[in-house]
Amino acid sequence: GAGVSQSPSNKVTEKGKDVELRCDPISGHTALYWYRQRLGQGLEFLIYFQGNSAPDKSGLPSDRFSAERTGESVSTLTIQRTQQEDSAVYLCASSLYFGQGYEQYFGPGTRLTVT
Amino acid sequence: AQTVTQSQPEMSVQEAETVTLSCTYDTSENNYYLFWYKQPPSRQMILVIRQEAYKQQNATENRFSVNFQKAAKSFSLKISDSQLGDTAMYFCALLQGAQKLVFGQGTRLTINP
Repeated sequence: GAGVSQSPSNKVTEKGKDVELRCDPISGHTALYWYRQRLGQGLEFLIYFQGNSAPDKSGLPSDRFSAERTGESVSTLTIQRTQQEDSAVYLCASSLYFGQGYEQYFGPGTRLTVT
Repeated sequence: AQTVTQSQPEMSVQEAETVTLSCTYDTSENNYYLFWYKQPPSRQMILVIRQEAYKQQNATENRFSVNFQKAAKSFSLKISDSQLGDTAMYFCALLQGAQKLVFGQGTRLTINP
């Protein structure tokens, strides 16, 4: 079966533009997570979805960041008015259910470069 | 706040040697999970091994094993008989609540032929 996929693989955008990053979780996985990885750093949690609901958005860095998930499948992370500090790899993960016992499977990430 | 610290930014060993990567963490929770993830240049995060805090026995997966010291809040990864394919970034992570993984800064491991 297919793993978690993300698109685009790489995105270069000009400062001030909006970008949309897409995540396709493993089919049947109800929980979905977004992380950000700055160059040479560990992963920083952004937001999670339980089904289509995002109970805690406090990890989003600013109000320029938003995320949605429809149909318990695809999720999009939108960054408005991009800034150079938004440059990073954005990783998505999914798990069968929400909870401690369930492994998170990661996608290959989208490398975002803001020029 | 829950934190994870990896004090070794880089390590390098010869093929077939044993290497140990260090990780310490801080949490106020009694039940939690700890993980080691591998990230090769492809960027794909791969789960190497996990440990449930309430289990006394150290987890083992083939050549990978952990030394979990709950009182000391230490969770090191031992790789035995290292192989060239083990070259990657290794991240220690703590599962906070039931939702988000908190990651360390990572250790870049290089296995030399």
